Amino acid sequence: ELKVEQNPLFLSMQEGKNYTIYCNYSTTSDRLYWYRQDPGKSLESLFVLLSNGAVKQEGRLMASLDTKARLSTLHITAAVHDLSATYFCAVDIEPGSGYALNFGKGTSLLVTP
Amino acid sequence: NAGVMQNPRHLVRRRGQEARLRCSPMKGHSHVYWYRQLPEEGLKFMVYLQKENIIDESGMPKERFSAEFPKEGPSILRIQQVVRGDSAAYFCASSPQGTTGELFFGEGSRLTVL
Repeated sequence: ELKVEQNPLFLSMQEGKNYTIYCNYSTTSDRLYWYRQDPGKSLESLFVLLSNGAVKQEGRLMASLDTKARLSTLHITAAVHDLSATYFCAVDIEPGSGYALNFGKGTSLLVTP
Repeated sequence: NAGVMQNPRHLVRRRGQEARLRCSPMKGHSHVYWYRQLPEEGLKFMVYLQKENIIDESGMPKERFSAEFPKEGPSILRIQQVVRGDSAAYFCASSPQGTTGELFFGEGSRLTVL
């Protein structure tokens, strides 16, 4: 069975600090997705990583993909309160499907003053 | 609001009743996907539909669950004879193409079975 494991599942960090969320998966997928969810809200697409070595950055968030290690990271730089949310990584259940995704359990991030 | 619209946002049913969840995709999107999120779990793919067609239902439970996306109107996820284990958040997503890799999600419908 395809497994997508995120760690940590809960993260409390101070504003201004840096931290990395890890996403390990068990298939040979060469595509990985990061989503953000605010409480009670929809999931918002953050990054689509399409190949080994892909790196994408948006503001204080940077995502990378190592398909050989089956690992993606979401790095947070100089955290601010607005980044408090739950972050999900996901991979294709079947390589290349693009729609049937298997999600991790999510990392609940709380940024405190 | 041009986003994916789901209703109801919250639904309470007693065991044995039927639950119907509706999803209107984003304007211009013709592909709809349903996902389920059980407590403390990640989202799990259930079904992919286009207008009047089920494209992939590999994630749907074999019994009691059905989905449709008629020519007119929203997509509907129907759960018959609900059981407590059906309590979950059901998310709908849409996309303009079948395999863009970027899905646009609604805010979810939270089903509670008493």
